[in-house]
Amino acid sequence: QSVLTQPPSASGTPGQRVTISCSGSSFNIGSNPVNWHQHRPGAAPKLLIYADNQRLSGVRDRFSGSRSGTSVSLAISGVQSEDEAVYYCAAWDDRLNAPVFGGGTKLTVL
Amino acid sequence: EVQLVESGGGLVQPGGSLRLSCAASGFTFADYAMSWVRQTPGKGLEWVSGLSGSGDSTYYADSVKGRFTISRDNFKNTLYLQMNSLGAEDTARYYCVNSGPGYCTGGSCYRRFDYWGQGALVNVSS
Repeated sequence: QSVLTQPPSASGTPGQRVTISCSGSSFNIGSNPVNWHQHRPGAAPKLLIYADNQRLSGVRDRFSGSRSGTSVSLAISGVQSEDEAVYYCAAWDDRLNAPVFGGGTKLTVL
Repeated sequence: EVQLVESGGGLVQPGGSLRLSCAASGFTFADYAMSWVRQTPGKGLEWVSGLSGSGDSTYYADSVKGRFTISRDNFKNTLYLQMNSLGAEDTARYYCVNSGPGYCTGGSCYRRFDYWGQGALVNVSS
């Protein structure tokens, strides 16, 4: 199992707002910022969001990140078919002294 | 444009060895820390190893410590991962990752995984 917990799947119709959650503990998300990666089929993973809510240059503003305690979320507003991918959260873990990932959430655009 | 191209993956028997390479271009290789991250069907993404831009500092996940060695050649712009005593649990796609410039927030500074290669598939099986 992954150190960070994500729902295995999420879905939405084009134009909807979709939210993906990521939870952890005081050793990781509770004390360190979270990054979000997008992994499209056949492509290399891509960093979208860092420091909880900062978009990497060139990332569409439809993607946003937020935090509430030891849970963080990635929101995609106006979801499009091109957003179909697996989304991973990641953070540093102070107990493991290593970066850790969530298990990934597969987003399906219906 | 940043490009990271992994090579050296393949089928290897349990107990065997393999060396992965990652050819980097599009950035000043020696300026950035690099990592290897692997993806297994059952366990998702797992950070494997990382090293500083100079190569002087290396870091390993507990699961590979003592078996894997990370290194780099800053003249050849290439990252390596020497993998020994391989077991079935090492079967995965291995990604070469550029850690970027990092960022600072809340009084601390952090690495992030900015750019990823397409990955090299390693299959440990008899």
